[in-house]
Amino acid sequence: GAVVSQHPSRVICKSGTSVKIECRSLDFQATTMFWYRQFPKQSLMLMATSNEGSKATYEQGVEKDKFLINHASLTLSTLTVTSAHPEDSSFYICSASGHLNTEAFFGQGTRLTVV
Amino acid sequence: DQQVKQNSPSLSVQEGRISILNCDYTNSMFDYFLWYKKYPAEGPTFLISISSIKDKNEDGRFTVFLNKSAKHLSLHIVPSQPGDSAVYFCAASGGSGGSNYKLTFGKGTLLTVNP
Repeated sequence: GAVVSQHPSRVICKSGTSVKIECRSLDFQATTMFWYRQFPKQSLMLMATSNEGSKATYEQGVEKDKFLINHASLTLSTLTVTSAHPEDSSFYICSASGHLNTEAFFGQGTRLTVV
Repeated sequence: DQQVKQNSPSLSVQEGRISILNCDYTNSMFDYFLWYKKYPAEGPTFLISISSIKDKNEDGRFTVFLNKSAKHLSLHIVPSQPGDSAVYFCAASGGSGGSNYKLTFGKGTLLTVNP
């Protein structure tokens, strides 16, 4: 299958700072990228959908000013957690899909810990 | 409201036996279903999918059955191997033809295959 790379895999940051997570499609053009969040023993919850070159569509209850998503190119989307708080600590996963894909491919995930 | 439900948080099976993982859904607009396997601190990996026009799809040791009238699907793994031990997520999509539409996930079932 196609390769999606997510970076970093782990990050610890101080409360009040911002953290950027990158999601790259390595061998295909990702026209659509999805960002998910997973709490322990919970399902993956979709946060937002981003299409290259346009604004992300956020799911209900997700603060768009807090979770900034940029999908500026066909191979890169970024999620920035602004003014992070301990309750933002979670596992964040991206997935990507292209024109020719019927499946979305997942990144490795990022474990964010806010202290 | 949980639209995709995996009511068994865990399942333990002996090596060589069949593992049956169940999933129920409530949204009749879902028409594409997928199973993912996930190890801790990693992104999900795609296993097998089924479109609502089918009732069975088989790929090696993995078979997915769909009962549309009951809004129920199941994943059968036979024979089960210790390397199959992981969390299995059921996911559903309302975009026909693939998971490049947003997915709704269940909470997952932890499968343990004992040697």
